[in-house]
Amino acid sequence: DVKVTQSSRYLVKRTGEKVFLECVQDMDHENMFWYRQDPGLGLRLIYFSYDVKMKEKGDIPEGYSVSREKKERFSLILESASTNQTSMYLCASSFFGRGGETQYFGPGTRLLVL
Amino acid sequence: AQKITQTQPGMFVQEKEAVTLDCTYDTSDPSYGLFWYKQPSSGEMIFLIYQGSYDQQNATEGRYSLNFQKARKSANLVISASQLGDSAMYFCAMREGRNFNKFYFGSGTKLNVKP
Repeated sequence: DVKVTQSSRYLVKRTGEKVFLECVQDMDHENMFWYRQDPGLGLRLIYFSYDVKMKEKGDIPEGYSVSREKKERFSLILESASTNQTSMYLCASSFFGRGGETQYFGPGTRLLVL
Repeated sequence: AQKITQTQPGMFVQEKEAVTLDCTYDTSDPSYGLFWYKQPSSGEMIFLIYQGSYDQQNATEGRYSLNFQKARKSANLVISASQLGDSAMYFCAMREGRNFNKFYFGSGTKLNVKP
């Protein structure tokens, strides 16, 4: 079974703190993604990576950075957390097979910034 | 214009019946991918099915099939033989862009399966 794990299910941080969200997948997938999900706004892509050290900005990269030093790990960094970054953060990995793209999601991290 | 439109905020279906969840999309990009996801009340996001814009055949995955009508820009999800465990939010989404870095999510349809 494919597993995508996220370092924390719940996280509480203070404004201005540097926050690291870690995501690990165990299936050697090329692609990894970070999304945030907010009521009324749906799921939005923050960043994705299609290979080690490669990254692409999604729709809302401002205030975030990412790191992919190893294939299995994709980190989302909030350089200076702000209250508007309070959200549910979802990590996913994917591969392209015969049937097209298949994605797997982690359980999510609910981040509260005070 | 909305990139992804799901016009059914909520739907009911009887257990064991089939149900169609509507999704229309808007793009001028010839290369794009369409996705359907399920999100139960527990909150996890589950990928269901993918359709590429160049795929000639409709995607199928178990009880899920995607009714892809390219000219109409429609990508409806069909769930056959509904089960109680199918009760959840369902989201339609599209990826496009030079590096597939543009991602758009619909507002979702809440499906309730009645016993």
